[in-house]
Amino acid sequence: SQTIHQWPATLVQPVGSPLSLECTVEGTSNPNLYWYRQAAGRGLQLLFYSVGIGQISSEVPQNLSASRPQDRQFILSSKKLLLSDSGFYLCASSGGRGANEQFFGPGTRLTVL
Amino acid sequence: AQKVTQAQTEISVVEKEDVTLDCVYETRDTTYYLFWYKQPPSGELVFLIRRNSFDEQNEISGRYSWNFQKSTSSFNFTITASQVVDSAVYFCALSLYQFYFGTGTSLTVIP
Repeated sequence: SQTIHQWPATLVQPVGSPLSLECTVEGTSNPNLYWYRQAAGRGLQLLFYSVGIGQISSEVPQNLSASRPQDRQFILSSKKLLLSDSGFYLCASSGGRGANEQFFGPGTRLTVL
Repeated sequence: AQKVTQAQTEISVVEKEDVTLDCVYETRDTTYYLFWYKQPPSGELVFLIRRNSFDEQNEISGRYSWNFQKSTSSFNFTITASQVVDSAVYFCALSLYQFYFGTGTSLTVIP
């Protein structure tokens, strides 16, 4: 099975500061990678997904961006954080189209003050 | 359009009671996959089960069982003899080329 690493685990940042969250995957190659945000209401909002290096699809236009510089590395970034960016960010990995379960990382809890 | 509905926002049961978490999905595709995930207080989502649209056979795994009914587009999850460790948020998901998650059901098992 796959192992997803995320860091940092928690982060407190001021409004207007930049952001970089990193996700790396072990145990698979050429995975589909995903960034989700989970706000206080518990639902999972898909932010970005990637089917390969340099290929990023954005589901929700917003203050964030994603990049995939390597096969098993997925980065979530922002140039200037907003209060509304606070939340729990989860990285996920899966193999192939829809059939395979997504494996989730431990998440990063971001608080923007 | 694809959609997953978990109408139960929060459920509380006393330990050893049985509890069923409902999941209703919408899709026009004939090939799809359904999943259940558990999110304990630590936050990480844990995979529980996958079902493909052509397999309506119910499944039992220990105290967990799943009832998939295409006729009602439902994929319900039952925990038998609940335990405090079952307290978590449970997500149902539909997968085609990407995942569609329900909003989750928060289960609290009271000792």
